[in-house]
Amino acid sequence: GAVVSQHPSRVICKSGTSVKIECRSLDFQATTMFWYRQFPKQSLMLMATSNEGSKATYEQGVEKDKFLINHASLTLSTLTVTSAHPEDSSFYICSARAGTGLIYEQYFGPGTRLTVT
Amino acid sequence: AQSVTQPDIHITVSEGASLELRCNYSYGATPYLFWYVQSPGQGLQLLLKYFSGDTLVQGIKGFEAEFKRSQSSFNLRKPSVHWSDAAEYFCAVGTGGGNKLTFGTGTQLKVEL
Repeated sequence: GAVVSQHPSRVICKSGTSVKIECRSLDFQATTMFWYRQFPKQSLMLMATSNEGSKATYEQGVEKDKFLINHASLTLSTLTVTSAHPEDSSFYICSARAGTGLIYEQYFGPGTRLTVT
Repeated sequence: AQSVTQPDIHITVSEGASLELRCNYSYGATPYLFWYVQSPGQGLQLLLKYFSGDTLVQGIKGFEAEFKRSQSSFNLRKPSVHWSDAAEYFCAVGTGGGNKLTFGTGTQLKVEL
């Protein structure tokens, strides 16, 4: 149980274009989903938190107009990188929270490798 | 603000040897602590977590971790390492009921046969 998928696993796009990454919770309903960015040989940095049906909360320094997050259902969140530039190349990982208790776990997707040329 | 330090960037151990990965955290309140493992090109898998209670926590794949409040540490251990344990290991502290995870920079484990 508690499987999170991401699509695509790898994507290459040209500078100036937009790319959408999907994050799905396959066997549970995710009240909250998180988007992380991981640079090579570095840790995960939280980009934003999204709750189903409401606007995402972005971490300081993350451009909300560049990284559009939509959490339209309890099983799907999308991250759209708009007007991508080479510096946006990174490994993007989503996670999903199940339940509404005070203490819970996050289940992580396998990640999406974005390369902007 | 909370922070996590994993002082060892790389560790190499022989298969069958014991393993200890260090993790120190900084957080003003009671921390929620996690260890995750990441294989190449994969997402993170939860190994174990500490919320409260017994300070020695058992996880999957034979891993355990001990919470030491006096040392602000949550070190990960395994008595006998297998070649398949080679991966990157991340320690994380969760705040807001675990809502927000702050990760350490990770420790890359290499296992020599």
